Amino acid sequence: IAGITQAPTSQILAAGRRMTLRCTQDMRHNAMYWYRQDLGLGLRLIHYSNTAGTTGKGEVPDGYSVSRANTDDFPLTLASAVPSQTSVYFCASSPGTGGVNTEAFFGQGTRLTVV
Amino acid sequence: LAKTTQPISMDSYEGQEVNITCSHNNIATNDYITWYQQFPSQGPRFIIQGYKTKVTNEVASLFIPADRKSSTLSLPRVSLSDTAVYYCLVAGATSGTYKYIFGTGTRLKVLA
Repeated sequence: IAGITQAPTSQILAAGRRMTLRCTQDMRHNAMYWYRQDLGLGLRLIHYSNTAGTTGKGEVPDGYSVSRANTDDFPLTLASAVPSQTSVYFCASSPGTGGVNTEAFFGQGTRLTVV
Repeated sequence: LAKTTQPISMDSYEGQEVNITCSHNNIATNDYITWYQQFPSQGPRFIIQGYKTKVTNEVASLFIPADRKSSTLSLPRVSLSDTAVYYCLVAGATSGTYKYIFGTGTRLKVLA
């Protein structure tokens, strides 16, 4: 059972470049999320999607965009990367809508370095 | 937004009970409290979730007082493999807008 698959595992990116982090789940969960994790700051929500076709802004959405064309995929795009976007990015999913009272399943993360 | 605060780190010995408290003074009526465990280079993993009073599962207990402004994760008889970072999450929805606020994490080190 794959669960949540993120790609790439790690990436070094030149500032100003465009980058899409991929996330796929095979659990048919309605809700999906993107978090960034920085030392001393814990996990902060970037964007979420409660169901295919809908998205919402989290705590730190600036500089990022998402789309949810189908249930399984939830890509995160950095239109023009900046060094402050250097972080570990985690994708997650949960059953139900909203997922506030359900278990979330996380991927293994993408380590992104913007230079 | 609810702000969640946790101790930065804790040490314990094998076989002891460990209690980690999270403060969430601005928790809203519809918010739930969830705890996650994270090992290095891995994504967080669900431990337990609750709304009020006490919840227990096979690995932990969660205590939530009546005012819900804090919650305590209790790990009975920890082992070396419980060394990890523990996060509390406050999540809820108001008028169709969802929020998910993680604490900054508590690094638990279990000593032999």
